[in-house]
Amino acid sequence: EVQLVQSGAEVKKPGESLKISCKGSGYSFTTYWIGWVRQMPGKGLEWMGIVYPGDSDTRYGPSFQGQVTLSVDKSSSTAYLQWSSLKASDTATYYCARRSRWGGDFGMDVWGQGTTVTVSS
Amino acid sequence: EIVMTQSPATLSLSPGERATLSCRASQSISGTHLSWYQHKPGQAPRLLIYGASTRATGIPARFSGSGSGTDFTLTISSLQPEDFAVYFCQQDSYLPYSFGQGTKLEIK
Repeated sequence: EVQLVQSGAEVKKPGESLKISCKGSGYSFTTYWIGWVRQMPGKGLEWMGIVYPGDSDTRYGPSFQGQVTLSVDKSSSTAYLQWSSLKASDTATYYCARRSRWGGDFGMDVWGQGTTVTVSS
Repeated sequence: EIVMTQSPATLSLSPGERATLSCRASQSISGTHLSWYQHKPGQAPRLLIYGASTRATGIPARFSGSGSGTDFTLTISSLQPEDFAVYFCQQDSYLPYSFGQGTKLEIK
């Protein structure tokens, strides 16, 4: 079964660091882009960025450039999203998703279950 | 940066009715890079349509997508109780990839 499994919920204080994970299985992890999506409480979906596990090519949305770091570990088929200094405004649910291609068509067809991050003093 | 605008923000309909959701891009995009997602509370988003008009695996035929350039539409031909959710369109034609703000489909 093709799946992405994310790490569990986190409760952190402002200023702390955090790294959450997204482990792929059931497919060739290195040949599909992995995107990250934020959903703040009561809000819509925001595209954060995308990483290609094959060569770690990474692109960020302008609101997230410099605020988070995307990375991958090919050996464990895991993608990561990390913060060096969390803010209360980082409180959200974060999803990873696989970007697939069917001929010339694209879409995010496999999603992780989401990781809820709560940042509060 | 391409802005995706969905309308209406909320759509109130009854089961059995037809739903038409709109998504407009701030500039022309390739239809091959337009997808629709269904999102229910506490669940991960689910891909419904990719390439503007192709149903994803396992998606019922009552869901259809159309459009090109800047205007795209998701149609649900006859609403079932499980279809009441939030729907998002997304473009990944140009970086940064972007979502619409969503249309909430609620039971009337």
